[in-house]
Amino acid sequence: NAGVTQTPKFQVLKTGQSMTLQCAQDMNHNSMYWYRQDPGMGLRLIYYSASEGTTDKGEVPNGYNVSRLNKREFSLRLESAAPSQTSVYFCASEPFVGSYNEQFFGPGTRLTVL
Amino acid sequence: SQQGEEDPQALSIQEGENATMNCSYKTSINNLQWYRQNSGRGLVHLILIRSNEREKHSGRLRVTLDTSKKSSSLLITASRAADTASYFCATTTSGNTPLVFGKGTRLSVIA
Repeated sequence: NAGVTQTPKFQVLKTGQSMTLQCAQDMNHNSMYWYRQDPGMGLRLIYYSASEGTTDKGEVPNGYNVSRLNKREFSLRLESAAPSQTSVYFCASEPFVGSYNEQFFGPGTRLTVL
Repeated sequence: SQQGEEDPQALSIQEGENATMNCSYKTSINNLQWYRQNSGRGLVHLILIRSNEREKHSGRLRVTLDTSKKSSSLLITASRAADTASYFCATTTSGNTPLVFGKGTRLSVIA
């Protein structure tokens, strides 16, 4: 029972390059989330998927796309990376959006865009 | 924009002392949660308090909620060096909206 896993753990990109961050959960949760964390800014929601087949924008969606591949997997894609996207990215899951349940977080991906 | 705002931004105490962190929010909530983040790690859930509850305990943690003041506090009693971490409050405003996190309080417990 691994919980929420993320790959890769670290990544360095050049401006304009693309990449996909992968996230998977093995808790049979319906809802999954992508956050970014910048120093002094807390966590900001990029996109979320309330259930398989649906995705919605969060607070800071510009420059990102997401895919809910199946119930387990939720990926985040940067089509043309910019230095402003340098951040730590966290994936999380919970049984249902806004439920009286906790969110479970992955270990994070530290991304640097040069 | 962030719903919750933690106060203070940083707190440094001696081992054995109590640590109190506060969270204020702007709109009515469904529930409020507290999370801990150790350096370089993902967040870990600590406790959830519903909007109709006023106080909850879990081990050395005590959370209060005052909906009239739109504020919550997290008290860690008899702190330990291992409590050194950042603490975040997060709120939901209705039954099907995502959590919104505050910017966090950095707690340092000095042995």
